[in-house]
Amino acid sequence: NAGVMQNPRHLVRRRGQEARLRCSPMKGHSHVYWYRQLPEEGLKFMVYLQKENIIDESGMPKERFSAEFPKEGPSILRIQQVVRGDSAAYFCASSPMEGGSTEAFFGQGTRLTVV
Amino acid sequence: GENVEQHPSTLSVQEGDSAVIKCTYSDSASNYFPWYKQELGKGPQLIIDIRSNVGEKKDQRIAVTLNKTAKHFSLHITETQPEDSAVYFCAADDQTGANNLFFGTGTRLTVIP
Repeated sequence: NAGVMQNPRHLVRRRGQEARLRCSPMKGHSHVYWYRQLPEEGLKFMVYLQKENIIDESGMPKERFSAEFPKEGPSILRIQQVVRGDSAAYFCASSPMEGGSTEAFFGQGTRLTVV
Repeated sequence: GENVEQHPSTLSVQEGDSAVIKCTYSDSASNYFPWYKQELGKGPQLIIDIRSNVGEKKDQRIAVTLNKTAKHFSLHITETQPEDSAVYFCAADDQTGANNLFFGTGTRLTVIP
């Protein structure tokens, strides 16, 4: 049973470009969470999704950031018109059932560098 | 939402000694408290968790204690080894929202051989 798969592992974008980060949850998991981690800092919640639904996006910046989890395919975190401050590690986690009261398993992350 | 505080931010111990990391949380309705270990360049890995119906849980050299009245929980690592060196994060679920996990700011543990 493969773990949470994120790709790419490393992504370099110039200011103003778009970044697309992909996350395939563990088999049987239908709940996906995205977190952002700045260097030497903790994990900041961004968004929680179920298949075709955004459950909680209270941690997402109001502009330029969006997330989706379609019926088929991976969850996508999209950052438009990236700026230097978007440089961070973005982690995806998945869980098999609703809510945070069960185990959430993390992927290896995508390290975004904006130059 | 939930607010989780974690101390200390850095911790150095001699190999074989014990390490203790403490966290407090704000939402008295939280009932799930996992601990994650993050090695350099990797994603967080769940190492142990505890739910609000128990006060202590142990798995080999790792134990977690929970005090719901005081709203704090702790990670205890005994007989530390160099491979225990990593950043450790505590977390608590948010019962007021969509049950997301909110994380502490992390503790960088260094085990000195």
